[in-house]
Amino acid sequence: QSVLTQPPSASGTPGQRVPISCSGSSSNVGSDTVNWYQQLPGTAPKLLIYSNNQRPSGVPDRFSGSKSGTSASLAISGLQSEDEADYYCAVWDGSLNGWVFGGGTKLTVL
Amino acid sequence: QVQLQQSGPGLVKASQTLSLTCAISGDSVSSNNAAWNWIRQSPSRGLEWLGRTYYRSKWYNHYAISVKSRITINPDTSKNQFSLQLNSVTPGDTAVYYCARSVGSIDYWGQGTLVTVSS
Repeated sequence: QSVLTQPPSASGTPGQRVPISCSGSSSNVGSDTVNWYQQLPGTAPKLLIYSNNQRPSGVPDRFSGSKSGTSASLAISGLQSEDEADYYCAVWDGSLNGWVFGGGTKLTVL
Repeated sequence: QVQLQQSGPGLVKASQTLSLTCAISGDSVSSNNAAWNWIRQSPSRGLEWLGRTYYRSKWYNHYAISVKSRITINPDTSKNQFSLQLNSVTPGDTAVYYCARSVGSIDYWGQGTLVTVSS
């Protein structure tokens, strides 16, 4: 049981916009910034969004993040076949004094 | 560009100690603004943070409650690397283990090591 709650799956057709949610509590999402990761099969997670809505260099602007209260969201617009992957949210938890992760959302491009 | 290169055995017997090392290039284990983490991933537990070490005028360690009694993370400044030791392992510790840097966010990850605990 992950500390952060994500939907196990999401899907969309090429060109669509797909949102992925991440729900936490006052000790994590509600009090620190949220990061998002993309994981392709057999590889390590890759930082996609940091500080709620910032993109590292090289990440397309089709990926965007937002946060409100104890929930955060990743949005992927202009969906492409190469976006098919697992997506995870992560945040520092001040009560647990450690990083916590969502259970991951498997994105399928139909 | 920061790179993290993991090494260590992929098979450990139950009740023994799991040991992995993460060699750092492009940064320093003694950096005053980075922390060096170990994270594991398994189908049953998902992504699970295990602990971290970092230097802020002195060395600090933080460990996850779930493994606190069994884990040690040590920096090695002479080799610019850090290590993970997890004692008294069980098949439930079977996972892909990652080392990772955090500067604000967890930004760089090692390649991952599948460690299987055999009974």
